[in-house]
Amino acid sequence: DAKTTQPNSMESNEEEPVHLPCNHSTISGTDYIHWYRQLPSQGPEYVIHGLTSNVNNRMASLAIAEDRKSSTLILHRATLRDAAVYYCIPMQTGNQFYFGTGTSLTVIP
Amino acid sequence: DSGVTQTPKHLITATGQRVTLRCSPRSGDLSVYWYQQSLDQGLQFLIQYYNGEERAKGNILERFSAQQFPDLHSELNLSSLELGDSALYFCASSRTTSGSYNEQFFGPGTRLTVL
Repeated sequence: DAKTTQPNSMESNEEEPVHLPCNHSTISGTDYIHWYRQLPSQGPEYVIHGLTSNVNNRMASLAIAEDRKSSTLILHRATLRDAAVYYCIPMQTGNQFYFGTGTSLTVIP
Repeated sequence: DSGVTQTPKHLITATGQRVTLRCSPRSGDLSVYWYQQSLDQGLQFLIQYYNGEERAKGNILERFSAQQFPDLHSELNLSSLELGDSALYFCASSRTTSGSYNEQFFGPGTRLTVL
């Protein structure tokens, strides 16, 4: 499984965009990049996933570098409810999720 | 609400004891996953079942075992409990097996405290 490097913590002001980076330099060509987040006192929840192209959904956007060695999760307007630990998980089909330490996002009102 | 239910919410027991954690997956989901989250180890994958059969094993101790029943609910059995087993235990489910389009839905967790 590809190893990931994420900042331990980040801060953002409310209603501003947030860019959460992830390095996964050992990713294989068939590893999808998944992002999950864990709100306080809750189980993780799916945010977004992608392979090569940038992806958008109602929660966020995922920008994937051309060499796929890094990706960035973009929250377009951070709200207080977005305060959570965000996990970047490169995963090959059939393999299991291995969560790293993630990035703890603090949203400042 | 993810649709995944876990019981009990909290469990307090003593060292050396045995406990059973229960998980009901979302309706229609065939895969069940168990994870352990402790302060020092983070979120660790333990084991996966798919339609009643063990599919993958992670960092699961020999003192721990799991099974998935015909109605697809799953139980995680923890025996000879040690203080270090105190943690949050999450169950997740997905439609099929782990895959690129297979979102995992997590339950609210069971908090186990071993005294």
